[in-house]
Amino acid sequence: DVKVTQSSRYLVKRTGEKVFLECVQDMDHENMFWYRQDPGLGLRLIYFSYDVKMKEKGDIPEGYSVSREKKERFSLILESASTNQTSMYLCASSTGQDYNSPLHFGNGTRLTVT
Amino acid sequence: GQNIDQPTEMTATEGAIVQINCTYQTSGFNGLFWYQQHAGEAPTFLSYNVLDGLEEKGRFSSFLSRSKGYSYLLLKELQMKDSASYLCAVMDSNYQLIWGAGTKLIIKP
Repeated sequence: DVKVTQSSRYLVKRTGEKVFLECVQDMDHENMFWYRQDPGLGLRLIYFSYDVKMKEKGDIPEGYSVSREKKERFSLILESASTNQTSMYLCASSTGQDYNSPLHFGNGTRLTVT
Repeated sequence: GQNIDQPTEMTATEGAIVQINCTYQTSGFNGLFWYQQHAGEAPTFLSYNVLDGLEEKGRFSSFLSRSKGYSYLLLKELQMKDSASYLCAVMDSNYQLIWGAGTKLIIKP
């Protein structure tokens, strides 16, 4: 079974802090994604990566950056946290073999910025 | 713009059948996914449809009509553990997923 592990389930940070969210997958997947999930909205893609050291902006990249130095690890960075970044953050991975490969999600990190 | 519509919440009785609808308007179409998400947990993949028709997987079935921009997820013999949110997502012409807001399904005994 594919396992996607996010380092923290809950985080509380102050406005202006730099925040790191870590995600690791154990199935040698090429593709990795960061989403945020807010009530009443569909999942919104922040950034994604199709390979090591590659990154692509999603729909809402402003205020975020990412790092993929190793295939199994995809980090999301909030350079200067703001209250409107309070959200549930979901990491996902998929194989790059087929465009319709399903996503495998981590359990999420609920971030509160005060 | 691109849009996915699903009902916000539905209630059904244990043992019954429920149909969760999803309508979409997207730039192109490369398939439709259904995911299940229990409260506080990761979404998990249920089904993928790219051709018209019904796909059955045990108690769950998914239907697609591309001409109508419409899909539904059918859950039979409902169990309490089926209480969850069900997410519909469409892959557009750029192979990007567009997500609906999800349908929260409440199962009552």
